Amino acid sequence: AQTVTQSQPEMSVQEAETVTLSCTYDTSESDYYLFWYKQPPSRQMILVIRQEAYKQQNATENRFSVNFQKAAKSFSLKISDSQLGDAAMYFCAYRSGVGYGGATNKLIFGTGTLLAVQP
Amino acid sequence: DAGVTQSPTHLIKTRGQHVTLRCSPISGHKSVSWYQQVLGQGPQFIFQYYEKEERGRGNFPDRFSARQFPNYSSELNVNALLLGDSALYLCASSSVGTENEKLFFGSGTQLSVL
Repeated sequence: AQTVTQSQPEMSVQEAETVTLSCTYDTSESDYYLFWYKQPPSRQMILVIRQEAYKQQNATENRFSVNFQKAAKSFSLKISDSQLGDAAMYFCAYRSGVGYGGATNKLIFGTGTLLAVQP
Repeated sequence: DAGVTQSPTHLIKTRGQHVTLRCSPISGHKSVSWYQQVLGQGPQFIFQYYEKEERGRGNFPDRFSARQFPNYSSELNVNALLLGDSALYLCASSSVGTENEKLFFGSGTQLSVL
């Protein structure tokens, strides 16, 4: 079975600084996807960034980038130029590449990291 | 366009009762998934439905059931409620249920079982 581990329950960063959130996962599959989701107090899960396992290049989305180490099964999120609006719970998630007809929307989430941004 | 909408937003029930939670996907989306998020944990997958057929089921007891209607909206039913069923229930939708798609989440229904 696949597992996702986030070992940092809480992190804090100064506004405009950079912070890195850690995530490790365990799987025997070769085809999968990794995600970072943000959950603000509104409770809605918002996709921050995604990475396909077959792609060697690390994904980037504006101030958000990942460090994907496939052999080490590590998937960290870097937030640059942190803003007050980045304060939220961040979840790392895994999805199997099951192909059409399977449970394609089954995500396995970690326990989350609560990020505080100090002004 | 409206996002994924869930109703009600909050609900209080007592042990042994039954509850029905509702989800309306984004217009045009045919796949709906349900997740349970217990306080302090990440969401756990309960069900996925696509075109009214069950695509997948997580490790939940038979007290949990769901269905999808012709308009692609969905209901999650939980029978014989237990205290441990207290959680945030999230619904997510996607267009055609392929693995390349983005999932869109609603803001959830907070269920409290007393």
